[in-house]
Amino acid sequence: KAGVTQTPRYLIKTRGQQVTLSCSPISGHRSVSWYQQTPGQGLQFLFEYFSETQRNKGNFPGRFSGRQFSNSRSEMNVSTLELGDSALYLCASSVKDMGFTPLHFGNGTRLTVT
Amino acid sequence: GQQLNQSPQSMFIQEGEDVSMNCTSSSIFNTWLWYKQEPGEGPVLLIALYKAGELTSNGRLTAQFGITRKDSFLNISASIPSDVGIYFCAGQLKAQGGSEKLVFGKGTKLTVNP
Repeated sequence: KAGVTQTPRYLIKTRGQQVTLSCSPISGHRSVSWYQQTPGQGLQFLFEYFSETQRNKGNFPGRFSGRQFSNSRSEMNVSTLELGDSALYLCASSVKDMGFTPLHFGNGTRLTVT
Repeated sequence: GQQLNQSPQSMFIQEGEDVSMNCTSSSIFNTWLWYKQEPGEGPVLLIALYKAGELTSNGRLTAQFGITRKDSFLNISASIPSDVGIYFCAGQLKAQGGSEKLVFGKGTKLTVNP
């Protein structure tokens, strides 16, 4: 069974640009969450999608957005990039048939903003 | 907001030694999880705990969900070099509409000397 797949693995962007990251969840998983990981702040929750609807959002500015498609694949977008957006962006999926089910993470997209 | 205090921040041990790390919070969590992250990869789920007082093992790993639901510990017995990595605790908050939001500790970096 394939794990969570994130593309691309690495990205280098310039301040002011925008970026789109992609995530394919484990087959059968309907919930997709996004996290930002930095050395200083650790893992911070961005948002969670289930059945194409955003169900929860972390404390990030509106420049960070996402969406989920009918096949459960998800994308997140960051507009007007800032130097502080440099981070590892992790996507995680879970089955979410009922109650809470553990998240399974992809290997992330390493974003560097120069 | 909710915070998890994970300790110690780092550990340097000899191969064969036992390891213990823990997480505490002022908030009550429904679920505790422990993840391990190696360089260049996303966090990998080690153990999930669903009930207060629950003690669960996974090979040489043992974790417990505290009775107060505000803490958890992870023990690794007879450490080996491949145990090297960063260990994260994560707590899942009371579900709001089925949200999957997790709060993560800052991690414990484990180094094992052969």
